[in-house]
Amino acid sequence: QVQLIESGGGVVQPGGSLRLSCAASGFTFSSYGIHWVRQAPGRGLEWVAFIRYDGQKKDYADSVRGRFTISRDNSQNTLYLQMNSLRVEDTAVYYCVMREVVDYAFDIWGQGTMVTVSS
Amino acid sequence: AIQLTQSPSSLSASIGDRVTITCRASQGIASALAWYQQIPGRPPKVLIYAASSLGSGVPTRFSGSGSGTDFTLSISSLQPEDFATYFCQQFNSYPITFGGGTKIEIK
Repeated sequence: QVQLIESGGGVVQPGGSLRLSCAASGFTFSSYGIHWVRQAPGRGLEWVAFIRYDGQKKDYADSVRGRFTISRDNSQNTLYLQMNSLRVEDTAVYYCVMREVVDYAFDIWGQGTMVTVSS
Repeated sequence: AIQLTQSPSSLSASIGDRVTITCRASQGIASALAWYQQIPGRPPKVLIYAASSLGSGVPTRFSGSGSGTDFTLSISSLQPEDFATYFCQQFNSYPITFGGGTKIEIK
């Protein structure tokens, strides 16, 4: 069974840092690109970042570029999101997501981890 | 970035109603569009991918159509479990973007 399980969320002050993890199982992790998507409370969905299966290509939303870094450890089947210089507007549930079998959609979602940026 | 405009942002409907939601892209995206359903407290679930293909296990009362800039999600006969929020998403180019959502409420 394909699973993505996020962890690492919590409460942090503005300007602080946090690292999220996403543990993958049930598939060949090193063969798939993975994304982070976030959702602020009561709001819509925002794509955050992408990393290619081999880690050699990354892309970011303008809202997080230069502050967030996506990375992966294929030997540990784990995806990461290092978040620095956090802002109140980064408060959201963060999901790791992937496209497993379908075209042009995310068919696998984790359950999400909540990040709250507040003083 | 490609903007997706969903309408309506909310609607009230009754069990058995036919419901249609639209999603308009700010530029052509071919068929690189998905529709998701989200129940509060849960991650989104894909209903439709590649504009018109039904996701795994999704009831056939859901259907998607369109290409280029104009897309629709239809529910042929609304069921109690369909009261949720629906989002469209484009996968044509980065940054990947989502529509603002449509909340379906019980009339």
